[in-house]
Amino acid sequence: SQQGEEDPQALSIQEGENATMNCSYKTSINNLQWYRQNSGRGLVHLILIRSNEREKHSGRLRVTLDTSKKSSSLLITASRAADTASYFCATPPGSARQLTFGSGTQLTVLP
Amino acid sequence: DAGVTQSPTHLIKTRGQQVTLRCSPISGHKSVSWYQQVLGQGPQFIFQYYEKEERGRGNFPDRFSARQFPNYSSELNVNALLLGDSALYLCASSLDSKGHEQYFGPGTRLTVT
Repeated sequence: SQQGEEDPQALSIQEGENATMNCSYKTSINNLQWYRQNSGRGLVHLILIRSNEREKHSGRLRVTLDTSKKSSSLLITASRAADTASYFCATPPGSARQLTFGSGTQLTVLP
Repeated sequence: DAGVTQSPTHLIKTRGQQVTLRCSPISGHKSVSWYQQVLGQGPQFIFQYYEKEERGRGNFPDRFSARQFPNYSSELNVNALLLGDSALYLCASSLDSKGHEQYFGPGTRLTVT
C-alpha cells in the first residue's frame, strides 16, 4: 500500500511560474524525501527533511513538513522547461529502513 | 565517481522464463535496495540488502529473490515470469540501511511477452 500520496496527480504551468506539489502520508516518520524522475528513468534525490524540521531550502526548492497533519509540500520557484518530470515523495515509515513512495505528480513546464 | 550502474538496460523475456538483473552501487555504499516501478505508479520496494544480509523485504512473491556479493554488488532474480512482472526495475544504493537518501541507477526495463 502507498504510504505517501502526492497531489495533484498532474500539473501544467508556464515557464517562470512557481509549482507546488503536496504529499500526505499515513504513519509516523523519521524523515521525508523528495525525488525527481525524468521520463521513466532513474530517480534523483532532491531533498530530505527530518521530522524535527519544518522547512528546508535547496536552490529553487523549498520543502515544508507538518507532522501534525502528516503532510509535506514541495515548491519549485521560477520553473524551467527542464523541470518537467515526475516528482515523488518518499518516507521510511516508522522504524522501517526502506522507502515507501507515493504515486507521483507529473509536472509539465511549458516554454 | 561512477554512480549506480545497472545491467542490462532493456530485456525482453517470455512468460515462464527466469531473469537476473545486476546492480553495482556507488563506491563506499554498503546498502542496496531493489524497487519495481510499473508504468504510471511510484516505485514499490522489493528488497534491501546491507552488508550481504537481507534487511527488508516488500510484499512480493517468492519468485523474487536477491543477493548481495562481498563487493556490495547485487543481483535480483525473478523466476517463472508473468506478464505482470513487466516493469522498470530500479536499484538504489545508500551508505547505510537506515532510511537515508538513496541514489538510484537508471533502471532495467523488463518486458514479459
